[in-house]
Amino acid sequence: DAGITQSPRYKITETGRQVTLMCHQTWSHSYMFWYRQDLGHGLRLIYYSAAADITDKGEVPDGYVVSRSKTENFPLTLESATRSQTSVYFCASSEGHWVEKLFFGSGTQLSVL
Amino acid sequence: SQQGEEDPQALSIQEGENATMNCSYKTSINNLQWYRQNSGRGLVHLILIRSNEREKHSGRLRVTLDTSKKSSSLLITASRAADTASYFCATSLTGGGGNKLTFGTGTQLKVEL
Repeated sequence: DAGITQSPRYKITETGRQVTLMCHQTWSHSYMFWYRQDLGHGLRLIYYSAAADITDKGEVPDGYVVSRSKTENFPLTLESATRSQTSVYFCASSEGHWVEKLFFGSGTQLSVL
Repeated sequence: SQQGEEDPQALSIQEGENATMNCSYKTSINNLQWYRQNSGRGLVHLILIRSNEREKHSGRLRVTLDTSKKSSSLLITASRAADTASYFCATSLTGGGGNKLTFGTGTQLKVEL
């Protein structure tokens, strides 16, 4: 089914390990986003991308790295996972520059032990 | 701190009743959007209202925007059990480039039979 897919759905890792969360969209949307969702904080923007090879920081980028070599993929890497990065991570996409509708994936629940 | 704050944090009503959720924000916006999140799922776009609009309708949803008070409300009429979810407002900030959204902390709505 076309849309935006995230993998894995659940991930458990240990502090200090590198983890990559995958995001793939089939709409050829220009903009892609990574948010994290934590109780009491709602959704906070980590990184976003306007097009292939164009990325920018959001509100909480520290400890994360992104890349976008192809329009359809936007992986998020935690270079050295910390317990504070335990969260639910959502990838989203938007068709144009003016974000009038975000399409979200189903999320990745990450636990860092 | 969050741009948008929803009120109340939690709301429990009976099926058939109306549900009203409020969102306050801090800075000037291009538009304000409402999203729904069912438990364990990604967010789904419900409705968008632009800064020059005061009210919008979509099915059983009615959204109002008061830019002088920097607030918005979402009314769901004749609620159904299937409306049970968390609801988030999201703002596109003036001067923020229009290419990213800032989310509030959400209202948890429970509709009981």
